[in-house]
Amino acid sequence: DSGVTQTPKHLITATGQRVTLRCSPRSGDLSVYWYQQSLDQGLQFLIQYYNGEERAKGNILERFSAQQFPDLHSELNLSSLELGDSALYFCASSVEPYGEAFFGQGTRLTVV
Amino acid sequence: AQTVTQSQPEMSVQEAETVTLSCTYDTSESDYYLFWYKQPPSRQMILVIRQEAYKQQNATENRFSVNFQKAAKSFSLKISDSQLGDAAMYFCAYRDSGAGSYQLTFGKGTKLSVIP
Repeated sequence: DSGVTQTPKHLITATGQRVTLRCSPRSGDLSVYWYQQSLDQGLQFLIQYYNGEERAKGNILERFSAQQFPDLHSELNLSSLELGDSALYFCASSVEPYGEAFFGQGTRLTVV
Repeated sequence: AQTVTQSQPEMSVQEAETVTLSCTYDTSESDYYLFWYKQPPSRQMILVIRQEAYKQQNATENRFSVNFQKAAKSFSLKISDSQLGDAAMYFCAYRDSGAGSYQLTFGKGTKLSVIP
């Protein structure tokens, strides 16, 4: 158990819908990262927050957004969902902005 | 941009034997970190081993060791005395060491099967 908690574990939704994925980092970790794992694109970095502020941005679509709250948990919002958004979404956390990342178990999103 | 290449989509090894997974990367940086992550069927991403580029000594963690060749930009993982529990996807990953680029760049992965 890495100490990083992601909910829900599985999510099935229809095209055009909006979903929110939640991540609770390890106790004491200030940095949260979001990654997307899909069959065709592999593991891709989406976005990073550190202590409530956005620190780095990767290949995140405009339909996707994230935030980190004062209690340090983070949410990834995916809107106007398309079939191609079906993937495993990972959250990871670290103590420092560039520290070693510990991954959660992921949220499996299926868009039908 | 940095890239990571794993040229072996699938590998297999007999239980108790040794296997080596290959990884090459491309970067213009001189200081960085390299990682191997394991993803079993449970899909959890588990850190296996890490290597700092400024360290010439190859990292070792129990049965796992790396062969880091900085000039060749090569970072292979050797698994000794393979066990059934080693069956998983293995991902090689790169990260810059300095501020401004915190994310991991992953290879496509190598699926390792362990034959009893």
